[in-house]
Amino acid sequence: EAQVTQNPRYLITVTGKKLTVTCSQNMNHEYMSWYRQDPGLGLRQIYYSMNVEVTDKGDVPEGYKVSRKEKRNFPLILESPSPNQTSLYFCASSSPSKAYEQYFGPGTRLTVT
Amino acid sequence: AQSVTQLDSHVSVSEGTPVLLRCNYSSSYSPSLFWYVQHPNKGLQLLLKYTSAATLVKGINGFEAEFKKSETSFHLTKPSAHMSDAAEYFCVRGGFKTIFGAGTRLFVKA
Repeated sequence: EAQVTQNPRYLITVTGKKLTVTCSQNMNHEYMSWYRQDPGLGLRQIYYSMNVEVTDKGDVPEGYKVSRKEKRNFPLILESPSPNQTSLYFCASSSPSKAYEQYFGPGTRLTVT
Repeated sequence: AQSVTQLDSHVSVSEGTPVLLRCNYSSSYSPSLFWYVQHPNKGLQLLLKYTSAATLVKGINGFEAEFKKSETSFHLTKPSAHMSDAAEYFCVRGGFKTIFGAGTRLFVKA
């Protein structure tokens, strides 16, 4: 089954404690991205990757890091989380051959206290 | 700059009446456009997509959208609303830098 998986689904952490949210897809998609969703703001792109070792900033990259060492994985790293990063995070993958139709993961709800 | 504008943040309809959710886009080329739906506390589900084939696109659950290049619009419609349609809807411009509209929350009254 074609899918995008994210882990963990729910996370409560404290300010400054480094964390990683994993994302994996099994569709051999070239393109992957991370979004955060906040009430009234829709989804905003954090980072995207066009292929292995190729990443670029989206609209709200501050406080986040990513890496793309393998085609299937695209982890999101918060080196020093702060309360304003409390949000719902979605990973997505797509392919230019499918007009960039996004396949979304189930979401990760992060709370930073 | 490329953008996607959803013209209504909230739309309220009665069950059985038509639904219209409006979306305008800006793009320097013919874009791929999508509508996604998000039910409360759920992920995002693709409703339909336009990829430069037919301008009238049919999706799941009776939804359809029409791509109008002259108006730079991609409005979502459904002839008859159902209670289960209550959700948030996102218009999206595809590309390596995907752009989401801010979303329209649809309320359906019994």
